[in-house]
Amino acid sequence: KNQVEQSPQSLIILEGKNCTLQCNYTVSPFSNLRWYKQDTGRGPVSLTIMTFSENTKSNGRYTATLDADTKQSSLHITASQLSDSASYICVVRGDNDMRFGAGTRLTVKP
Amino acid sequence: DAEITQSPRHKITETGRQVTLACHQTWNHNNMFWYRQDLGHGLRLIHYSYGVQDTNKGEVSDGYSVSRSNTEDLPLTLESAASSQTSVYFCASSDSRNTGELFFGEGSRLTVL
Repeated sequence: KNQVEQSPQSLIILEGKNCTLQCNYTVSPFSNLRWYKQDTGRGPVSLTIMTFSENTKSNGRYTATLDADTKQSSLHITASQLSDSASYICVVRGDNDMRFGAGTRLTVKP
Repeated sequence: DAEITQSPRHKITETGRQVTLACHQTWNHNNMFWYRQDLGHGLRLIHYSYGVQDTNKGEVSDGYSVSRSNTEDLPLTLESAASSQTSVYFCASSDSRNTGELFFGEGSRLTVL
């Protein structure tokens, strides 16, 4: 069964610190993987897309990695800000399937 | 600017009533989707459409229906609302079936009493 597992479920960090969110998937065949950010009370917004041939991609303070062999992705946030408080959702596309992780709830405290 | 809007943003209804949630996009995307989001679950696909007059069932379609009479709109109808359908509903659109970014609306919070 195609699945996407995210960890941790929730995370609290202090402003200015770094953190890494994990996404493991079993979706096969693999097409692409996106990380979305969802602010409280809003719809998700795409941060980055990873295709099979890409290992690393950055979007400002967000850096996503992909290991297609182990079917793992991570989202690293550098120098966190209060505005990074949100849920981060990993979405994996197969040929005819798209699966959502349950998300990681990140809280950044001053 | 192109956008996708949902209405109403909040609704309270009673068990057994029919409810329709509206979704309107100005991206001119062929592909539109309805999801529900519940605590502890990822977004789950209810119905989707790849174009006018095309509708398809998702993984949690029981009790829901959609219709696509034009490119811009995909209304979601709960024929007879049940308490299990209390949730936050998100509409999304994309320009590609396989690689396209999903553009989400702001969500509609539905409470069924």
